[in-house]
Amino acid sequence: SQELEQSPQSLIVQEGKNLTINCTSSKTLYGLYWYKQKYGEGLIFLMMLQKGGEEKSHEKITAKLDEKKQQSSLHITASQPSHAGIYLCGAESGYSTLTFGKGTMLLVSP
Amino acid sequence: NAGVTQTPKFRILKIGQSMTLQCAQDMNHNYMYWYRQDPGMGLKLIYYSVGAGITDKGEVPNGYNVSRSTTEDFPLRLELAAPSQTSVYFCASSFVGDGVKNIQYFGAGTRLSVL
Repeated sequence: SQELEQSPQSLIVQEGKNLTINCTSSKTLYGLYWYKQKYGEGLIFLMMLQKGGEEKSHEKITAKLDEKKQQSSLHITASQPSHAGIYLCGAESGYSTLTFGKGTMLLVSP
Repeated sequence: NAGVTQTPKFRILKIGQSMTLQCAQDMNHNYMYWYRQDPGMGLKLIYYSVGAGITDKGEVPNGYNVSRSTTEDFPLRLELAAPSQTSVYFCASSFVGDGVKNIQYFGAGTRLSVL
């Protein structure tokens, strides 16, 4: 079965600083999904990557999938309090389902 | 736009009681899912459905049952609640088809405590 390891488990950054979250797979990634979860709420879809070397950006968040398709990174530029939450990566684990990592908790201090 | 609606938001059960967690989506999605989220453990798939009348087990199905009689609804049943079922439960739905990727949309969750 596919396993996803996220690092770090948690981090605290000062507002305005950049940060990176990593998601490493035990198998080749054929579809990698990034979600954000605020405390007490459901998951919100951010971005999906498919091709090796692919990169997507939305506002100040950039996600990349490496050429070998076994690792993805999520980079936030100039962090803001609104970026705080739990970030989860999910990978296609069959035609119908996704397997998720354990998540990275991000706190942004003023 | 309602999206995925879960009820109730919170519930406390006594050991051995039964309950049904409700999930409804109004996006005409064919796929629906139930997950549980425990602290520091990510999301674990309980059951999923690829269409009305079709359900399949996920990673942690023991102690749960599901049915899917309509496209819109996917209830999760706990028959004999146990403390190990204390968790946050999320329902999700997606449209999956030829060339269409599995972007799942989540409900706000149900927080369940079994005491």
